[in-house]
Parts: sequence; C-alpha cells; structure tokens
Amino acid sequence: ILNVEQSPQSLHVQEGDSTNFTCSFPSSNFYALHWYRWETAKSPEALFVMTLNGDEKKKGRISATLNTKEGYSYLYIKGSQPEDSATYLCAFMAGNFGNEKLTFGTGTRLTIIP
Amino acid sequence: DTAVSQTPKYLVTQMGNDKSIKCEQNLGHDTMYWYKQDSKKFLKIMFSYNNKELIINETVPNRFSPKSPDKAHLNLHINSLELGDSAVYFCASSHLTASPFFGSGTRLTVV
Repeated sequence: ILNVEQSPQSLHVQEGDSTNFTCSFPSSNFYALHWYRWETAKSPEALFVMTLNGDEKKKGRISATLNTKEGYSYLYIKGSQPEDSATYLCAFMAGNFGNEKLTFGTGTRLTIIP
Repeated sequence: DTAVSQTPKYLVTQMGNDKSIKCEQNLGHDTMYWYKQDSKKFLKIMFSYNNKELIINETVPNRFSPKSPDKAHLNLHINSLELGDSAVYFCASSHLTASPFFGSGTRLTVV
C-alpha cells in the first residue's frame, strides 16, 4: 500500500496572501507526481505532472516543486484570490506501473477569505 | 463539448437492485478508468482499461463489472447493490502518462 499524505488537511487564507502546502510520497520507485485542483461539485482538474527531481512547474500564480529523493512536493499559490478556493490533490505514480496505479492523497482544502 | 461525460449524475436506488453508470470520452484517449471516492474522500482506482482490454482490477467485489464496447466508452455495471456501495464514482481517461482527465462524477445512493 502506497502512502501519499497531504498537509495540512484544510487551510484558511486571507485574500492577497500567499500560501503553500505539502504532498509526501514514497521516495523509492518514483515515476511521476500529479497535482490536481478540485472545486466542489466539479471534476478534478489537472494542474501539473512532475517527473524530474528538482523540477519546478508554474501556471499563473500557482507553482509546484518536487524533491523525489526525500519524497515531497510543495504547491505554492501567490496572492490568493477567492477563485483559488478548492481542494488540491496530489497523486503519486510508481515506476513500475502506468497511470492506472495513481495513488491519490486526501487533499488540502483551501478556503480564501475575502 | 464535454470531454469525459458520465450518466447519470445522480442515482438513488434500493438495495438489491442492479444499476449501470455510463461513461464516454471524446478525447481519443486509449486508457479509461473508474475511480471511487470513499467516505473519507479518497479517490481510489477500481478499474483501468486500455484499448478495451482490462489492465487493472483492484480489490473490488465481483458485483462490479466494467464493460468497454469500444475505447471511447467504459460503463460500470453493479449487481445486487449494497448500502456500502453509496459513493461518488468518477470516470476518467488519459493518453500515455499524462494526467487523467476526469468526468464530473455520479453520486450513487443506495437506500
């Protein structure tokens, strides 16, 4: 059983502030880490796929870093806006499987306070 | 145009019934999946099909049977529904190692 943990479970952030949260995953047999954004009553939306140690991805005000040796990834949101309120999921893909073995964390629920 | 569409969006049914959830993707992806969001909000893989062939069948009761008539469709049939089957079921599809693209989910309630 692969252990993928996200912290914190929930987070309230004032509009305009920056924030970050963590995804921890097994450091062995790494293939890829996926980040998703999941708004209530919608489907999870892919943000990033990260495969290389030290990789950094950016999409607008959201960015992510990856450390495969120690088994963690950070997601950063700069200048939070109300539309950033969502649950952010990470999903770990082991090296000996394909997409079909994505293991999801339970997510960080982010609420932006106007 | 919805890329991954599931029907129905909501399904309320009695224990013991048999029901199906349909999924279609128009993205041209080779791989399709069924995920279950459990009571703790985890998304867990149930099945994966690649080009109509079953690739992954996680520890899922035999009452759950996926059917893929072609690579754009993956339907989920559930026999003899139980209270514990109540959950949100998500269909998804992907191309190679790209992130799976999810449907909007089917909320199944067994009463």
